[in-house]
Amino acid sequence: GAGVSQSPRYKVAKRGQDVALRCDPISGHVSLFWYQQALGQGPEFLTYFQNEAQLDKSGLPSDRFFAERPEGSVSTLKIQRTQQEDSAVYLCASSRAGSTDTQYFGPGTRLTVL
Amino acid sequence: DAKTTQPPSMDCAEGRAANLPCNHSTISGNEYVYWYRQIHSQGPQYIIHGLKNNETNEMASLIITEDRKSSTLILPHATLRDTAVYYCIVRAFGDYKLSFGAGTTVTVRA
Repeated sequence: GAGVSQSPRYKVAKRGQDVALRCDPISGHVSLFWYQQALGQGPEFLTYFQNEAQLDKSGLPSDRFFAERPEGSVSTLKIQRTQQEDSAVYLCASSRAGSTDTQYFGPGTRLTVL
Repeated sequence: DAKTTQPPSMDCAEGRAANLPCNHSTISGNEYVYWYRQIHSQGPQYIIHGLKNNETNEMASLIITEDRKSSTLILPHATLRDTAVYYCIVRAFGDYKLSFGAGTTVTVRA
């Protein structure tokens, strides 16, 4: 079956631009997660949704980062006024039911801010 | 505050078993050991997890010591496609966050 998909796979933005990154979780998966992975490092947790409810956004680096999942399926991570330090791979993961179920990751979106 | 310690890199020969160590000396009773791997330019891929018993699936085996302070991931017959960064993660029951460390970069050589 289809896995987690993310789009775009690559995004180049000029500093100050807003960007929107999309995640399509595995169909029927209740939980959705966003992670940020800087070059050469492991992924770091950003935020967690259970259906449409955002239950944890403690990992979002600043108020320029905003995530939503309005219908409990597709999720969008938005970054406003991008800065160079936002350059990273943004990974989305979903899990079937409970938040502690196995997380399945998408391929990520590589964001480069010039 | 890393909960696991892994060697930064290791090489292994194609066709041989690859044994990947992980230390988690401060693990507590309700914490599981998870392994993920990340092939270049892909997202992390779940491999296996366990609490205290050894586990095996189609990808790998997980051996956890009796005191649970360390574990070993075994890839029985490594192939070139197993070249990846392997992450050992300790995760408490009920904790939804995965805390990745630096992992072990495994290179399988022909």
